[in-house]
Amino acid sequence: QVRLAQWGAGLLKPSETLSLTCAVYGGSFSGYFWSWIRQPPGKGLEWIGEISHSGSTNYNPSLKSRVTISVDTSKNQFSLNLSAVTAADTAAYYCARRVYADYYYQLDVWGQGTTVTVSS
Amino acid sequence: EVVLTQSPGTLSLFPGERATLSCGASQSVSSTSLAWYQQKLGQAPRLLIYGASSRAAGIPDRFSGSGSGTDFTLTISRLEPEDYAVYYCQQYGRSLLTFGGGTKLEIK
Repeated sequence: QVRLAQWGAGLLKPSETLSLTCAVYGGSFSGYFWSWIRQPPGKGLEWIGEISHSGSTNYNPSLKSRVTISVDTSKNQFSLNLSAVTAADTAAYYCARRVYADYYYQLDVWGQGTTVTVSS
Repeated sequence: EVVLTQSPGTLSLFPGERATLSCGASQSVSSTSLAWYQQKLGQAPRLLIYGASSRAAGIPDRFSGSGSGTDFTLTISRLEPEDYAVYYCQQYGRSLLTFGGGTKLEIK
């Protein structure tokens, strides 16, 4: 049973960098893309970006200039950095596993979520 | 970028009734790239349907998905109390993943 566990700072000041890490337990790290998704309070889901085990990345164009997603295959972990945060970045942040096989692309395993608040 | 529009925004139904949720795409998407998720308050989303019509592991058969091209549907045949939640559709194409705005299914 694959499990994702995520952690990181929950309270930031404007202009700081958000940093979150997600660890993968109980399954293969290769053969998938590893994604970050966020959800502002009371709103819908927004995909931030993803990384493969080999380091190939795809980003949401609306956030691309501020986002870096990296991977540490030795620890089966991947991380999100979002620079220059503002109050608009306040959200629950989720990591998730994205399938890519036979043209299927769903997010089939999710982390528990981390609430990040940006406030001065 | 493919924009997904979900309707209705809120759906109020009694337990035991049939729920029909719609997801429209701004351009044609591959059926294999269309998925549905259920999210309950304070929880992470859960995969229900992938490939437009295949149920994920452990999902009851009262949940079904259909559609192709630009119009997709999630149907819940007989609502159970635990089905009241927010539902999202999602697609992936050209290295970009997008979600619909969600449909809130509430008890009438």
